[in-house]
Amino acid sequence: AQSVTQLGSHVSVSEGALVLLRCNYSSSVPPYLFWYVQYPNQGLQLLLKYTSAATLVKGINGFEAEFKKSETSFHLTKPSAHMSDAAEYFCAVSGNTGKLIFGQGTTLQVKP
Amino acid sequence: DAGVIQSPRHEVTEMGQEVTLRCKPISGHDYLFWYRQTMMRGLELLIYFNNNVPIDDSGMPEDRFSAKMPNASFSTLKIQPSEPRDSAVYFCASSSTRDVISYEQYFGPGTRLTVT
Repeated sequence: AQSVTQLGSHVSVSEGALVLLRCNYSSSVPPYLFWYVQYPNQGLQLLLKYTSAATLVKGINGFEAEFKKSETSFHLTKPSAHMSDAAEYFCAVSGNTGKLIFGQGTTLQVKP
Repeated sequence: DAGVIQSPRHEVTEMGQEVTLRCKPISGHDYLFWYRQTMMRGLELLIYFNNNVPIDDSGMPEDRFSAKMPNASFSTLKIQPSEPRDSAVYFCASSSTRDVISYEQYFGPGTRLTVT
């Protein structure tokens, strides 16, 4: 069985500050992990994915995430927030079924 | 590629009416997923298909919901009769097992359904 927990349904940062969105997973098989972003009134788009090639994964728009097996975590970070980063972010896990299990999402607010 | 195409983008209907949502997956993708997104319940997987065959429909809320995939390039999600609590954004997504490293899903823009 697989599951994802996103800690914090809302995160607020100032423009230029560090962004940290937390994700912990549970998986009985080696996981593939994803971060998706959803801008208002749009579908989800892939930010980055972990597929066991490297534990530090770089994605689009300056985001990156680090896979830590010992902590079962896959937290998303960005060194400096921009107003355009305001969106909802979803962490997801897949095993070998073709199905993604999504977390509940974290809304990122960026204050000027 | 045009990406995943969904129609209509917005649908407003009255309670009791039949609603049909449509999806065209990315060409060559052999998985298709239907999701529902609401404020209360977040993003829920309703059903998914592999090679046009339904694999898991455990997320379909009740018998009023049905989904079909008559061929590799088209799928429908039907609600009959519709109820106000069905109001949500419905997403279709597709993926390919040719990408055997992961099952990255590509999402459509969604259909915003309002049932009055």
